[in-house]
Amino acid sequence: DTAVSQTPKYLVTQMGNDKSIKCEQNLGHDTMYWYKQDSKKFLKIMFSYNNKELIINETVPNRFSPKSPDKAHLNLHINSLELGDSAVYFCASSPPRGREAFFGQGTRLTVV
Amino acid sequence: AQKITQTQPGMFVQEKEAVTLDCTYDTSDPSYGLFWYKQPSSGEMIFLIYQGSYDQQNATEGRYSLNFQKARKSANLVISASQLGDSAMYFCAMRENSGGYQKVTFGTGTKLQVIP
Repeated sequence: DTAVSQTPKYLVTQMGNDKSIKCEQNLGHDTMYWYKQDSKKFLKIMFSYNNKELIINETVPNRFSPKSPDKAHLNLHINSLELGDSAVYFCASSPPRGREAFFGQGTRLTVV
Repeated sequence: AQKITQTQPGMFVQEKEAVTLDCTYDTSDPSYGLFWYKQPSSGEMIFLIYQGSYDQQNATEGRYSLNFQKARKSANLVISASQLGDSAMYFCAMRENSGGYQKVTFGTGTKLQVIP
């Protein structure tokens, strides 16, 4: 059983389109995250949700809108995609005051 | 200010030798956790080792050990007996309390290449 799963794994789309990435965790964790990994491999936190509530928004453009329908899911919707949005997006989850964050396999988004 | 600093963008090590990857951190939270992740070329993030701020002993997991020096705010990863499969990016990360909730921040990573 995959603990944190993201779909799709690869996403190629044109500038200006709107796309979504889905994330689900079956670990019962309260906290979920979205990270963006750029071409230099830098991992930057974008959002963090705790029990469906947004708790961290790291000055991400408002074209990015996370949605958490329940605490096991955290989806990322991106409007009006730009070339600079091309990156690998990772979803992760962690228990309260727990040890490590568990990562999904990543979604490689390419905007052309 | 950077919360997690990894000063070595790239490292080489001979197979079967030990290597130390550096990590320093900055936090005012007295209860924090430090982690190391490995990211091979396939892209997945693999958890390696964890050290809690109150842990008295350095963490060890197989060939991985974490050299935790709290006063110096450093959490270096030591890989013993390097193998070719250890070639990857390595990220140091810190979990700290941010506004009552936990936040995990990553360093910029170190690319390790193991030479046969």
